Amino acid sequence: DAGVTQSPTHLIKTRGQQVTLRCSPKSGHDTVSWYQQALGQGPQFIFQYYEEEERQRGNFPDRFSGHQFPNYSSELNVNALLLGDSALYLCASSLLAGGSNSPLHFGNGTRLTVT
Amino acid sequence: TQLLEQSPQFLSIQEGENLTVYCNSSSVFSSLQWYRQEPGEGPVLLVTVVTGGEVKKLKRLTFQFGDARKDSSLHITAAQPGDTGLYLCAGNAGNNRKLIWGLGTSLAVNP
Repeated sequence: DAGVTQSPTHLIKTRGQQVTLRCSPKSGHDTVSWYQQALGQGPQFIFQYYEEEERQRGNFPDRFSGHQFPNYSSELNVNALLLGDSALYLCASSLLAGGSNSPLHFGNGTRLTVT
Repeated sequence: TQLLEQSPQFLSIQEGENLTVYCNSSSVFSSLQWYRQEPGEGPVLLVTVVTGGEVKKLKRLTFQFGDARKDSSLHITAAQPGDTGLYLCAGNAGNNRKLIWGLGTSLAVNP
């Protein structure tokens, strides 16, 4: 039973460029959430997707956008990259029917470095 | 704005010592989750506490949810190097699915 998989594992981009990160949820999960994690800090919620729609959003600018596909996989897009966007981007999947206590299953993240 | 404050931020101890990590808020949570994150990996759920005053044990780890459901603690007995990692608490305020995350406690257990 495959867990959450993210690609790529590492990425280096230049300021102003655009990046797309990908996530496949755990088998049987229908909800995908994206987080940004600075080194040594807790995850910051970016947004959550369910039924191919953005359901909730954190305090991130419109440069951050996403998509969920019919097979529940998801993409995170960041436009006009800034140096401050350098971080570990985590994808977490869950089952909406599991309720508010449904545990999040995280991937190992994509380490994005903006130079 | 709901906040979860974790303390201490950093902790470095010797193998065999005991330790307690705290997660505090002025807000009430319907549930609270504890995760551990090792370098290069995503967080892994350790436990979910739901009832005020609830105590859950996971081998040498003891988790407690405060009576008022505003705070929680994680106690580790006889710490081992394998316990090293970032310990994160995350609170659920209710029907809203967005978890509120603490900044984490970075634990290093030295052999």
